[in-house]
Amino acid sequence: GAVVSQHPSWVICKSGTSVKIECRSLDFQATTMFWYRQFPKQSLMLMATSNEGSKATYEQGVEKDKFLINHASLTLSTLTVTSAHPEDSSFYICSARETSGSGDEQYFGPGTRLTVT
Amino acid sequence: LAKTTQPISMDSYEGQEVNITCSHNNIATNDYITWYQQFPSQGPRFIIQGYKTKVTNEVASLFIPADRKSSTLSLPRVSLSDTAVYYCLLEYGNKLVFGAGTILRVKS
Repeated sequence: GAVVSQHPSWVICKSGTSVKIECRSLDFQATTMFWYRQFPKQSLMLMATSNEGSKATYEQGVEKDKFLINHASLTLSTLTVTSAHPEDSSFYICSARETSGSGDEQYFGPGTRLTVT
Repeated sequence: LAKTTQPISMDSYEGQEVNITCSHNNIATNDYITWYQQFPSQGPRFIIQGYKTKVTNEVASLFIPADRKSSTLSLPRVSLSDTAVYYCLLEYGNKLVFGAGTILRVKS
C-alpha cells in the first residue's frame, strides 16, 4: 500500500518558538492531505484539510494563524505550530488520500510527538 | 457528518473471534463504513471498508445489515498483537471524522 511519512517523529521545543512538521506521500501524489491532533487517551481530531496550491480549510476552533499549513507540492504538506505553548503538546498525525482505480483510501503517517516545555 | 457509536472497550482472549459493533443511525446514502486500527503513538492503519452486505479481506470481515444503521467488524482468532484501539468511521467525500473508538484488550 501507499506510504505516508512524517518528519520529525518527535520534537521538543521551548515555549514561544515555532515548530515545523512535514508530511510526505512517498509513492503517490496527494492533492489533499489532512492534519489531525490527538491528546493522550483521546481520539483523533481533524484540524484542517490541506489542498495543494490553495489555502487550507480549518475546522471550527482551530486557529489558522497559529497552525500554518502549506501544501506546496503534490507530495508534501507542512504544519507549522507558531509561538508554541505547553498546551500545544500533542501527537500530530497527517494523512493523504490516494485515488486509484479500485477506489479511495486514506493513508496515515506515523505521527509526530510534540512536547513544548 | 453522521456520528458513530462504539463500545468504549472490550476484552478477549487469544484465539477467540472478536466482533465490534458500531451504530450509525444517521448514515447517509453515499457514506462508506470504514474501520481503522491504532496502536499507541502510531498513526491509524486501514483495516476494511464496506458499503453494504459483507466484505472480507485477509485480516477482517465487515458485516453491514440492509438498513446500514450499524456495522460489525469481525476479527477472527485474535492474538495479543491485536490489542489496539479500533475506530469506526463514516466516509463520504474527503473527510474522516473519528469517534471515540473501542479499546480491545486481548489476554493470553
